[in-house]
Amino acid sequence: QKEVEQNSGPLSVPEGAIASLNCTYSDRGSQSFFWYRQYSGKSPELIMFIYSNGDKEDGRFTAQLNKASQYVSLLIRDSQPSDSATYLCAVGYTGNQFYFGTGTSLTVIP
Amino acid sequence: DADVTQTPRNRITKTGKRIMLECSQTKGHDRMYWYRQDPGLGLRLIYYSFDVKDINKGEISDGYSVSRQAQAKFSLSLESAIPNQTALYFCATSDLQGYEQYFGPGTRLTVT
Repeated sequence: QKEVEQNSGPLSVPEGAIASLNCTYSDRGSQSFFWYRQYSGKSPELIMFIYSNGDKEDGRFTAQLNKASQYVSLLIRDSQPSDSATYLCAVGYTGNQFYFGTGTSLTVIP
Repeated sequence: DADVTQTPRNRITKTGKRIMLECSQTKGHDRMYWYRQDPGLGLRLIYYSFDVKDINKGEISDGYSVSRQAQAKFSLSLESAIPNQTALYFCATSDLQGYEQYFGPGTRLTVT
C-alpha cells in the first residue's frame, strides 16, 4: 500500500510569517514528489515538484526532500492571505501513477 | 478556453442509473487520468490511460469503467450508480514525462 500522510490542519499563520507543511510517504520506490494548491471548490494546481534530496526554491516557495526519512516539506515564506488554501502532497511512481495525501488546510491571518 | 474541460460540472442522479462523465483536453497530452475526491480521503486514482489503446485500473476502479475515444477524450462511466459514489470527480492530463498533471475543473456528482 502506497500511503501519503499529511497533517490535515488547519494550520494558521499570521501574514508575513513562514508556513511549514509536511508530508511523509511509505514506499521507498517513490520517484517524484509534488505539491499542489487547491482553493475551495477549485481544481488542484501544481506549485512545485522535486526529485532529488535537498532543497528546491521557487520564489516564496521552497520544497525540501529527504528520501532517507521519506519526508517532503513545503515552506511558504512571507505568507499572504491569498495563500490560504488546501495543500496536497503527491508522490509519483514508475508508470506515472500518482498518490495524493489528504491535504493540509492553511489559513493566513491578515 | 480551458485546456482541460469536464462535462457536466454538476449532476444529481438516482441509485441504479447509468451516468457518463466526459473529459476533453487541448494540451496534446497522451496521458489522462480520472480521480475522485472525498472529504478526508484526498484524491484517489480510478483509471488512467497512456494512449488510446492503453487503459489501466487505478486504486479504486470497482464500479467504474472508462473509454478513451481519442487522444483528447477520456470518459468515465458509472454503470449503476450508488450513493457512496457521491464525490467530486477530476480529470487530469500529463505529458510523457509526467512531471505535472493538469486538472480539469471537476464534476460534482450526487447519487441519491
